Amino acid sequence: DVKVTQSSRYLVKRTGEKVFLECVQDMDHENMFWYRQDPGLGLRLIYFSYDVKMKEKGDIPEGYSVSREKKERFSLILESASTNQTSMYLCASSPAHNVGTDTQYFGPGTRLTVL
Amino acid sequence: SQQGEEDPQALSIQEGENATMNCSYKTSINNLQWYRQNSGRGLVHLILIRSNEREKHSGRLRVTLDTSKKSSSLLITASRAADTASYFCATGTNAGKSTFGDGTTLTVKP
Repeated sequence: DVKVTQSSRYLVKRTGEKVFLECVQDMDHENMFWYRQDPGLGLRLIYFSYDVKMKEKGDIPEGYSVSREKKERFSLILESASTNQTSMYLCASSPAHNVGTDTQYFGPGTRLTVL
Repeated sequence: SQQGEEDPQALSIQEGENATMNCSYKTSINNLQWYRQNSGRGLVHLILIRSNEREKHSGRLRVTLDTSKKSSSLLITASRAADTASYFCATGTNAGKSTFGDGTTLTVKP
């Protein structure tokens, strides 16, 4: 059974803190993604990665960075958390970069609150 | 705006009725997928339809795709209270990443 896990379900941080959100997949997938989900705005792609040490900006990368040192792990970093980064963060992975095979498998989400 | 946009935003029906949700998109796609999200959880993939397919079935789910109108519909037949969730369409492109719509919130009343 495919599995994507995220390090925390709920997280509360203070403004200015550095925040790490971890995501691990056990399916040997090439692609990994970070989204944020906000009411009325749907899912918005922050960053994605097609390979180890490779990253590409999504639609809203500002204020975020990512790290992919190992194939199974994709980390999202908030360098200096701000209140407008309070959101639900969803990690996903998908198989190799092939047309028509980009079904994504999602983790349970991390609800981050920045005070 | 999002590539995929679902309609309606919210839908409330009685158990046993059918639920239909629509998705419109703007650019050419390779495939379109529907996902389901229970409250406060991650998304779960339901069904994928390729651009050269017109209809696909999976259990109580039926998906249609009209590439000329750039639209898709998801039909859930004989709905159950457990079908209460948000449903998202996602368009797949050559880039290997999908663009998600804002979702339709379905409530099935027992």
